[in-house]
Amino acid sequence: DAKTTQPTSMDCAEGRAANLPCNHSTISGNEYVYWYRQIHSQGPQYIIHGLKNNETNEMASLIITEDRKSSTLILPHATLRDTAVYYCIVLGSNYKLTFGKGTLLTVNP
Amino acid sequence: NAGVTQTPKFQVLKTGQSMTLQCAQDMNHNSMYWYRQDPGMGLRLIYYSASEGTTDKGEVPNGYNVSRLNKREFSLRLESAAPSQTSVYFCASTEGARGDYEQYFGPGTRLTVT
Repeated sequence: DAKTTQPTSMDCAEGRAANLPCNHSTISGNEYVYWYRQIHSQGPQYIIHGLKNNETNEMASLIITEDRKSSTLILPHATLRDTAVYYCIVLGSNYKLTFGKGTLLTVNP
Repeated sequence: NAGVTQTPKFQVLKTGQSMTLQCAQDMNHNSMYWYRQDPGMGLRLIYYSASEGTTDKGEVPNGYNVSRLNKREFSLRLESAAPSQTSVYFCASTEGARGDYEQYFGPGTRLTVT
Protein backbone atom coordinates (compact mmCIF):
# COMPACT_ATOMS: atom_id res chain seq x y z
CA ASP A 1 0.00 0.00 0.00
CA ALA A 2 1.22 3.49 -0.81
CA LYS A 3 2.49 5.49 2.15
CA THR A 4 1.82 9.18 2.62
CA THR A 5 3.97 11.98 4.02
CA GLN A 6 2.43 15.07 5.59
CA PRO A 7 3.87 17.96 7.60
CA THR A 8 3.40 17.54 11.32
CA SER A 9 1.73 20.91 11.79
CA MET A 10 0.63 24.04 9.97
CA ASP A 11 -0.86 27.39 10.89
CA CYS A 12 -3.39 29.43 8.98
CA ALA A 13 -5.06 32.79 9.59
CA GLU A 14 -8.82 32.79 9.92
CA GLY A 15 -10.52 33.66 6.63
CA ARG A 16 -7.51 32.71 4.53
CA ALA A 17 -7.14 29.59 2.43
CA ALA A 18 -5.47 26.62 4.11
CA ASN A 19 -3.38 24.49 1.76
CA LEU A 20 -2.42 21.11 3.20
CA PRO A 21 0.14 19.12 1.21
CA CYS A 22 0.55 15.37 0.99
CA ASN A 23 3.17 13.27 -0.76
CA HIS A 24 2.27 9.79 -2.01
CA SER A 25 5.02 9.01 -4.48
CA THR A 26 4.40 5.24 -4.53
CA ILE A 27 0.70 5.47 -5.36
CA SER A 28 -0.61 3.01 -7.91
CA GLY A 29 -2.72 3.96 -10.88
CA ASN A 30 -6.03 2.79 -9.43
CA GLU A 31 -5.56 3.93 -5.84
CA TYR A 32 -7.69 6.77 -4.54
CA VAL A 33 -6.53 9.60 -2.28
CA TYR A 34 -8.83 10.25 0.68
CA TRP A 35 -8.81 13.09 3.18
CA TYR A 36 -10.32 12.88 6.65
CA ARG A 37 -10.07 15.21 9.61
CA GLN A 38 -10.38 14.71 13.34
CA ILE A 39 -11.48 17.57 15.54
CA HIS A 40 -10.24 17.30 19.10
CA SER A 41 -10.68 13.58 19.86
CA GLN A 42 -13.99 13.28 18.01
CA GLY A 43 -14.44 10.54 15.44
CA PRO A 44 -12.77 11.28 12.10
CA GLN A 45 -14.86 13.04 9.47
CA TYR A 46 -14.67 12.38 5.76
CA ILE A 47 -13.76 15.42 3.68
CA ILE A 48 -13.12 14.46 0.07
CA HIS A 49 -11.47 11.90 -2.19
CA GLY A 50 -10.14 11.72 -5.73
CA LEU A 51 -8.34 9.58 -8.28
CA LYS A 52 -6.90 11.77 -11.04
CA ASN A 53 -9.01 14.84 -11.55
CA ASN A 54 -9.34 17.71 -9.17
CA GLU A 55 -12.39 17.46 -6.96
CA THR A 56 -14.46 20.03 -5.09
CA ASN A 57 -17.30 19.74 -2.63
CA GLU A 58 -18.92 21.99 -0.06
CA MET A 59 -16.08 21.45 2.39
CA ALA A 60 -12.89 21.57 0.36
CA SER A 61 -11.03 21.17 -2.92
CA LEU A 62 -8.55 18.42 -3.73
CA ILE A 63 -5.80 19.10 -6.23
CA ILE A 64 -3.88 16.03 -7.45
CA THR A 65 -0.74 16.52 -9.50
CA GLU A 66 -0.64 15.08 -12.99
CA ASP A 67 1.85 12.38 -11.98
CA ARG A 68 -0.34 11.65 -8.91
CA LYS A 69 2.68 11.66 -6.61
CA SER A 70 1.29 14.44 -4.45
CA SER A 71 -1.92 16.26 -3.63
CA THR A 72 -3.12 19.35 -1.81
CA LEU A 73 -6.26 19.78 0.23
CA ILE A 74 -7.58 23.32 0.11
CA LEU A 75 -9.96 24.81 2.66
CA PRO A 76 -10.89 28.04 0.85
CA HIS A 77 -11.84 30.19 3.86
CA ALA A 78 -10.57 28.61 7.04
CA THR A 79 -12.48 29.19 10.27
CA LEU A 80 -11.54 28.47 13.86
CA ARG A 81 -13.72 25.35 13.68
CA ASP A 82 -11.41 23.94 11.01
CA THR A 83 -8.66 23.48 13.61
CA ALA A 84 -8.12 19.72 13.49
CA VAL A 85 -5.76 16.91 12.52
CA TYR A 86 -6.02 16.27 8.78
CA TYR A 87 -5.23 12.81 7.44
CA CYS A 88 -4.23 12.10 3.85
CA ILE A 89 -4.80 8.41 3.06
CA VAL A 90 -4.21 6.32 0.00
CA LEU A 91 -6.83 3.60 -0.15
CA GLY A 92 -4.88 0.41 -0.73
CA SER A 93 -5.80 -2.66 -2.70
CA ASN A 94 -7.34 -4.19 0.41
CA TYR A 95 -9.68 -1.18 0.66
CA LYS A 96 -8.66 -0.51 4.24
CA LEU A 97 -7.93 2.99 5.49
CA THR A 98 -4.49 3.35 7.05
CA PHE A 99 -4.23 6.45 9.22
CA GLY A 100 -0.83 8.07 9.79
CA LYS A 101 -0.23 10.88 12.25
CA GLY A 102 -1.67 13.54 9.93
CA THR A 103 -1.18 17.30 9.97
CA LEU A 104 -2.37 19.40 12.89
CA LEU A 105 -3.87 22.52 11.31
CA THR A 106 -4.29 25.41 13.70
CA VAL A 107 -6.45 28.27 12.49
CA ASN A 108 -5.57 31.49 14.30
CA PRO A 109 -7.87 34.48 14.82
CA ASN B 1 -30.73 9.88 11.69
CA ALA B 2 -28.35 9.16 14.57
CA GLY B 3 -25.57 7.89 12.28
CA VAL B 4 -23.10 5.72 14.19
CA THR B 5 -23.65 5.37 17.93
CA GLN B 6 -21.31 3.79 20.48
CA THR B 7 -21.82 2.72 24.06
CA PRO B 8 -20.45 3.28 26.60
CA LYS B 9 -18.72 6.66 26.16
CA PHE B 10 -16.27 5.99 29.00
CA GLN B 11 -15.20 2.86 30.83
CA VAL B 12 -12.61 1.97 33.44
CA LEU B 13 -11.64 -1.68 33.80
CA LYS B 14 -9.26 -3.57 36.02
CA THR B 15 -6.72 -5.88 34.42
CA GLY B 16 -8.35 -9.19 33.59
CA GLN B 17 -11.91 -7.93 33.46
CA SER B 18 -14.00 -8.35 30.34
CA MET B 19 -16.36 -6.03 28.54
CA THR B 20 -18.18 -5.51 25.26
CA LEU B 21 -18.22 -2.27 23.32
CA GLN B 22 -21.40 -1.76 21.35
CA CYS B 23 -21.78 -0.05 17.99
CA ALA B 24 -24.88 0.53 15.89
CA GLN B 25 -25.57 2.38 12.64
CA ASP B 26 -28.88 3.41 11.13
CA MET B 27 -27.69 4.14 7.59
CA ASN B 28 -28.21 0.63 6.21
CA HIS B 29 -24.47 0.35 5.58
CA ASN B 30 -22.89 -2.94 4.58
CA SER B 31 -19.44 -2.60 6.13
CA MET B 32 -18.52 -1.84 9.70
CA TYR B 33 -15.14 -1.33 11.39
CA TRP B 34 -13.49 -1.12 14.79
CA TYR B 35 -10.41 1.08 15.26
CA ARG B 36 -8.31 2.03 18.24
CA GLN B 37 -6.43 5.28 18.69
CA ASP B 38 -3.60 5.65 21.18
CA PRO B 39 -2.47 9.11 22.34
CA GLY B 40 -0.77 11.11 19.59
CA MET B 41 -1.27 8.36 17.03
CA GLY B 42 -3.47 7.71 14.05
CA LEU B 43 -6.24 5.12 14.08
CA ARG B 44 -5.41 1.45 13.70
CA LEU B 45 -7.87 -1.11 12.39
CA ILE B 46 -8.75 -3.91 14.81
CA TYR B 47 -11.47 -5.85 12.97
CA TYR B 48 -13.91 -5.21 10.20
CA SER B 49 -17.06 -6.74 8.75
CA ALA B 50 -17.60 -6.34 5.02
CA SER B 51 -21.16 -7.63 5.26
CA GLU B 52 -23.56 -9.20 7.70
CA GLY B 53 -22.24 -12.56 8.79
CA THR B 54 -18.59 -11.93 7.92
CA THR B 55 -15.70 -10.60 9.99
CA ASP B 56 -11.99 -10.26 9.31
CA LYS B 57 -8.89 -9.25 11.22
CA GLY B 58 -7.32 -5.87 10.77
CA GLU B 59 -3.90 -4.60 11.78
CA VAL B 60 -4.13 -5.17 15.57
CA PRO B 61 -6.67 -7.95 16.34
CA ASN B 62 -4.90 -9.67 19.26
CA GLY B 63 -6.88 -9.55 22.49
CA TYR B 64 -10.19 -8.75 20.80
CA ASN B 65 -13.18 -10.56 19.39
CA VAL B 66 -16.05 -9.20 17.35
CA SER B 67 -19.62 -10.09 16.48
CA ARG B 68 -21.66 -8.76 13.58
CA LEU B 69 -24.99 -9.29 15.28
CA ASN B 70 -27.04 -8.05 12.33
CA LYS B 71 -26.66 -5.44 9.63
CA ARG B 72 -26.98 -2.59 12.17
CA GLU B 73 -24.80 -3.79 15.02
CA PHE B 74 -21.11 -4.68 15.39
CA SER B 75 -19.71 -5.36 18.85
CA LEU B 76 -16.12 -5.55 20.10
CA ARG B 77 -15.27 -7.74 23.08
CA LEU B 78 -12.24 -7.65 25.35
CA GLU B 79 -12.10 -11.02 27.09
CA SER B 80 -9.29 -10.20 29.53
CA ALA B 81 -8.41 -6.53 29.52
CA ALA B 82 -4.77 -5.45 29.71
CA PRO B 83 -3.29 -1.98 30.38
CA SER B 84 -1.99 -2.00 26.77
CA GLN B 85 -5.62 -1.86 25.64
CA THR B 86 -6.11 1.56 27.20
CA SER B 87 -7.17 3.58 24.20
CA VAL B 88 -10.02 5.35 22.44
CA TYR B 89 -12.10 2.97 20.36
CA PHE B 90 -13.95 4.15 17.27
CA CYS B 91 -16.56 2.31 15.29
CA ALA B 92 -17.22 3.22 11.66
CA SER B 93 -19.49 2.14 8.85
CA THR B 94 -19.61 2.57 5.11
CA GLU B 95 -22.06 1.85 2.34
CA GLY B 96 -19.89 -0.32 0.14
CA ALA B 97 -18.76 -3.85 0.85
CA ARG B 98 -15.26 -3.01 -0.33
CA GLY B 99 -14.68 0.04 1.83
CA ASP B 100 -14.17 2.43 -1.05
CA TYR B 101 -16.93 4.75 0.04
CA GLU B 102 -16.52 7.33 2.77
CA GLN B 103 -16.58 5.97 6.29
CA TYR B 104 -18.78 7.46 9.00
CA PHE B 105 -17.36 7.34 12.50
CA GLY B 106 -18.97 7.19 15.90
CA PRO B 107 -18.00 9.45 18.82
CA GLY B 108 -15.68 6.90 20.42
CA THR B 109 -15.40 4.95 23.67
CA ARG B 110 -12.62 6.00 26.02
CA LEU B 111 -11.32 2.93 27.81
CA THR B 112 -8.85 2.89 30.67
CA VAL B 113 -7.45 -0.40 31.98
CA THR B 114 -5.72 -0.17 35.35
